[in-house]
Amino acid sequence: AQTVTQSQPEMSVQEAETVTLSCTYDTSENNYYLFWYKQPPSRQMILVIRQEAYKQQNATENRFSVNFQKAAKSFSLKISDSQLGDTAMYFCAFSSSGSNDYKLSFGAGTTVTVRA
Amino acid sequence: DGGITQSPKYLFRKEGQNVTLSCEQNLNHDAMYWYRQDPGQGLRLIYYSQIVNDFQKGDIAEGYSVSREKKESFPLTVTSAQKNPTAFYLCASSIGGGVGLVKTQYFGPGTRLLVL
Repeated sequence: AQTVTQSQPEMSVQEAETVTLSCTYDTSENNYYLFWYKQPPSRQMILVIRQEAYKQQNATENRFSVNFQKAAKSFSLKISDSQLGDTAMYFCAFSSSGSNDYKLSFGAGTTVTVRA
Repeated sequence: DGGITQSPKYLFRKEGQNVTLSCEQNLNHDAMYWYRQDPGQGLRLIYYSQIVNDFQKGDIAEGYSVSREKKESFPLTVTSAQKNPTAFYLCASSIGGGVGLVKTQYFGPGTRLLVL
């Protein structure tokens, strides 16, 4: 099974500033998918952004962007112009790309607190 | 609106009792999943189903059972064999398999199970 590591249990950021969450993973595959999910206090898991490993261009979704370093097996998430509503736990996840691969492997999560 | 619903939001189980958690989706997804989340931790896969009338064990299937009689529904039963069932349970769904298709998982709001 693939291992996903999030080394920062907690992070705090001032409103309107930028925070970067780190994620590393272990795989021998060449093609795969990476995701960041957000879990606010409501506990609903919400997809933030996804990246396909064969794409060199880093994915962006509004204020959220990733820095995908395939050789280093690193997939960090940058939240720009942080808002109070960004306060949540953020999970990095890995999925193989095979047609019969369904498993999503999650990291332990990083709790982000946005301060007013 | 398309989405995933889970019920109930809270569920209480007595010792020796089986309980069933409901998960329904109207996204026309072939695949469905059940995850368990313990406090401060990531998600662990219990069972998943690629298609109707088929399902596979995940990483922590012991003490749980599922059925997939309809495309829209994937109920999870927590049996009396599960000795530590207190957790937050999340259901998800995605498109099915296929070369080059990203099986992005979308989640329901979750069910919190507590043991009396």
